[in-house]
Amino acid sequence: KQEVTQIPAALSVPEGENLVLNCSFTDSAIYNLQWFRQDPGKGLTSLLLIQSSQREQTSGRLNASLDKSSGRSTLYIAASQPGDSATYLCAGGGDSNYQLIWGAGTKLIIKP
Amino acid sequence: DGGITQSPKYLFRKEGQNVTLSCEQNLNHDAMYWYRQDPGQGLRLIYYSQIVNDFQKGDIAEGYSVSREKKESFPLTVTSAQKNPTAFYLCASSLRTRITDTQYFGPGTRLTVL
Repeated sequence: KQEVTQIPAALSVPEGENLVLNCSFTDSAIYNLQWFRQDPGKGLTSLLLIQSSQREQTSGRLNASLDKSSGRSTLYIAASQPGDSATYLCAGGGDSNYQLIWGAGTKLIIKP
Repeated sequence: DGGITQSPKYLFRKEGQNVTLSCEQNLNHDAMYWYRQDPGQGLRLIYYSQIVNDFQKGDIAEGYSVSREKKESFPLTVTSAQKNPTAFYLCASSLRTRITDTQYFGPGTRLTVL
């Protein structure tokens, strides 16, 4: 059964630092990979989607990559800001079904 | 404004009661989903619907029921058979149920059993 691990579970860094969040799947056969952001008590917002033919996606200060050989993805946040404080979740799916498998998230705190 | 709305934001249930959570979208999406989120765990799929008048069980459907009579609406009923319903419930929609379609989420409903 596919499972997803996000490391670390929580991270606190000073403003301005670059940081990396990690996501790994027990089964490396990942068809696509998505990163979401969740603010406390709120719904999720899609950040980046890496399709099967892609290895990475960029949006502003965010860059997500997917290594299909290892089933690992990283979310890189450059020049972190207090507004980046949130929980970041990754979710992926295989090509044989529609269902996303979710990680538990990394809670990120950016200290001013 | 296009988006997904969920109501109520907070809901309290007494033992033995059924309660219904509302989810509405005006994105013209075919697919809709209900997830349950518990602390320290990933989202778990309760039910999903690919099209009007059709829905399928997810991983944790026991104790829940849904309907999809209109494209815009996908209400979730938490029945008394669900023994541990306290959780944060999220509704989502996507253009279709393809794994490549981005899911858009509502703001969530927090259900607490008294």
